[in-house]
Amino acid sequence: EDKVVQSPLSLVVHEGDTVTLNCSYEVTNFRSLLWYKQEKKAPTFLFMLTSSGIEKKSGRLSSILDKKELFSILNITATQTGDSAVYLCAVEAGSNYKLTFGKGTLLTVNP
Amino acid sequence: IAGITQAPTSQILAAGRRMTLRCTQDMRHNAMYWYRQDLGLGLRLIHYSNTAGTTGKGEVPDGYSVSRANTDDFPLTLASAVPSQTSVYFCASSPQQGVGYEQYFGPGTRLTVT
Repeated sequence: EDKVVQSPLSLVVHEGDTVTLNCSYEVTNFRSLLWYKQEKKAPTFLFMLTSSGIEKKSGRLSSILDKKELFSILNITATQTGDSAVYLCAVEAGSNYKLTFGKGTLLTVNP
Repeated sequence: IAGITQAPTSQILAAGRRMTLRCTQDMRHNAMYWYRQDLGLGLRLIHYSNTAGTTGKGEVPDGYSVSRANTDDFPLTLASAVPSQTSVYFCASSPQQGVGYEQYFGPGTRLTVT
């Protein structure tokens, strides 16, 4: 059974702090790892990672994948209150490319 | 506006009733998915369809059925609702199955079964 574990489950920081969110996985036939941000409603896509060691970056957010150690991290620098959300990690695996999601990390950024 | 629509937005349903959650996308995506999201359990795949005319079971398919008569629509039916099916249901789509195609999510349907 495919498994995706995120840590921490929740995190409270102050504006301007840097945070690192973790995602580890155990899956059969890894295809890709995806990060989503979920505010009030639908998850919105952040990054897709397929290769180890190549950083994906978008503004203050960045992510990297380690396929040897089976984990990924999502970094957010200079956090803002608008970064408050649940961050979801999902791994695409198997012949059907199905996504398995972690339980998410609830990030709260206080002013 | 291109995207995924879901209906209804929310629904309270008596146990034992039949209910169909609707999902429509106008992006001509081949692959579509239904997830349920529960506190402490995250998003779990119920059913999926890689192309019109085909469907497959996900992680938690029991009590649910789907059909994919055309590219745009992917309804989810609860034949006889039970309280454990109280959840937020998300429909998603991607251009096709495979690496390099992220899934786009609809706004969700909040279902309460009493």
